[in-house]
Amino acid sequence: GIQVEQSPPDLILQEGANSTLRCNFSDSVNNLQWFHQNPWGQLINLFYIPSGTKQNGRLSATTVATERYSLLYISSSQTTDSGVYFCAVGPVDSSYKLIFGSGTRLLVRP
Amino acid sequence: DTEVTQTPKHLVMGMTNKKSLKCEQHMGHRAMYWYKQKAKKPPELMFVYSYEKLSINESVPSRFSPECPNSSLLNLHLHALQPEDSALYLCASSQENRGISYNEQFFGPGTRLTVL
Repeated sequence: GIQVEQSPPDLILQEGANSTLRCNFSDSVNNLQWFHQNPWGQLINLFYIPSGTKQNGRLSATTVATERYSLLYISSSQTTDSGVYFCAVGPVDSSYKLIFGSGTRLLVRP
Repeated sequence: DTEVTQTPKHLVMGMTNKKSLKCEQHMGHRAMYWYKQKAKKPPELMFVYSYEKLSINESVPSRFSPECPNSSLLNLHLHALQPEDSALYLCASSQENRGISYNEQFFGPGTRLTVL
C-alpha cells in the first residue's frame, strides 16, 4: 500500500520563527490533507490540497503531485501552534481511505 | 455548521461493560467514519459508512459494533473490551454524491476511552 513519510519527526521552535514540514508519499493520490492535532486530541483541518498552493493566514501549503510531496509552511510561529501536524493522503483506488503519516511533533517555546 | 460532535468526551469502562460512543454531523455529509488512535500514533481507520450502509470494515474485532441509524448519526457499540482497546476514538465525515466521493474528511473532538 501507499507509504507516507513526514519530516522532521520532532521540531522545537522559538516563538516567531518560521518552519517547513514535509510529507512524501509513494504513489499517486486523489486527496491530500494537512491536520493539526491539538493537545486535547482534536484534529483540525488545515488544508485540503491534492495539488497546487494555498494560504491561510500564517500557514501555507504546496503539493507537487507529480513529484509526490507536500510542504506545510508555518510563519511567525506562536505557542498555540504546538501540537502534532499530520499529513494524510487518499489513494486513487479508494474513495474513502486516508493514509496518515506518523506526524511532526511541534513545540513552540515562548 | 462545519462541526462534528462526539459524546462522551471521556469514558471509563470495565471489561464486562457495554457502552456506546455517539457521533453527529449536520453538514449533509453522506460518508461517516470511525478511527482509533493510540498514544503517539496516527489515527487508524476502523469503519466507513456510505449512505447509511457499511462500506469498509478494516478487520475490526466483533467487540466493536458500528451502527448508522440515519445520515447524521453514527454509533459505536462496545462490549467485552480489553485494556489494549484504550485509545482516542475519532469520528469523521465527508461529502459524497453517488459515484463521486470528495473525501475531504472533517473530524470530531474524539472520545478518550479507558478500559480497566
